[in-house]
Amino acid sequence: EDKVVQSPLSLVVHEGDTVTLNCSYEVTNFRSLLWYKQEKKAPTFLFMLTSSGIEKKSGRLSSILDKKELFSILNITATQTGDSAVYLCAVDRGAVNRDDKIIFGKGTRLHILP
Amino acid sequence: DSGVTQTPKHLITATGQRVTLRCSPRSGDLSVYWYQQSLDQGLQFLIQYYNGEERAKGNILERFSAQQFPDLHSELNLSSLELGDSALYFCASSPWGPTIPNEQFFGPGTRLTVL
Repeated sequence: EDKVVQSPLSLVVHEGDTVTLNCSYEVTNFRSLLWYKQEKKAPTFLFMLTSSGIEKKSGRLSSILDKKELFSILNITATQTGDSAVYLCAVDRGAVNRDDKIIFGKGTRLHILP
Repeated sequence: DSGVTQTPKHLITATGQRVTLRCSPRSGDLSVYWYQQSLDQGLQFLIQYYNGEERAKGNILERFSAQQFPDLHSELNLSSLELGDSALYFCASSPWGPTIPNEQFFGPGTRLTVL
């Protein structure tokens, strides 16, 4: 069965720390991996990764994909209280019999202490 | 603000009833996705439409149906509602079709409570 597993489920760190969030997957017909940040309401897009080994960066956030080992990491450096959120990893499968096209992990709840 | 709008924001109804959730995608986006998010299940993909046609189906119950209209807005119909259908329902849109990997822009969601 296709699945996306995120770890840890929950993380509490102090402001200024660096955190690494993990996402591993087992899916058929992988097409892309996406990271989203969800605060109070709707998820907001962070990164889309399709190629192995190429790091995507946006400010203090970065992410990389390893298609051989089937995982991705999301790094946040110099964390701030505004980074507190649930971080969601999703894998987009090219539609196989039009089923289960996008699978989300359960998310990592990150809390930054001031 | 992602540019995706959803109505209503909140909906409270009784078991056995039927409701319709509405979504307007970002201007120019052709794809619309529907998701259900509950505390125990996380975010679950329900269905995708592209330019009026159903293109992918996920964990959508037979009691649920959706459509995308010529003006590209979409509706999700939920019938014979059960307590377990209480959840946050998100709509997302993206500019491209299902053959191209692309980011999605999420609307603010509709919180459905079934009593």
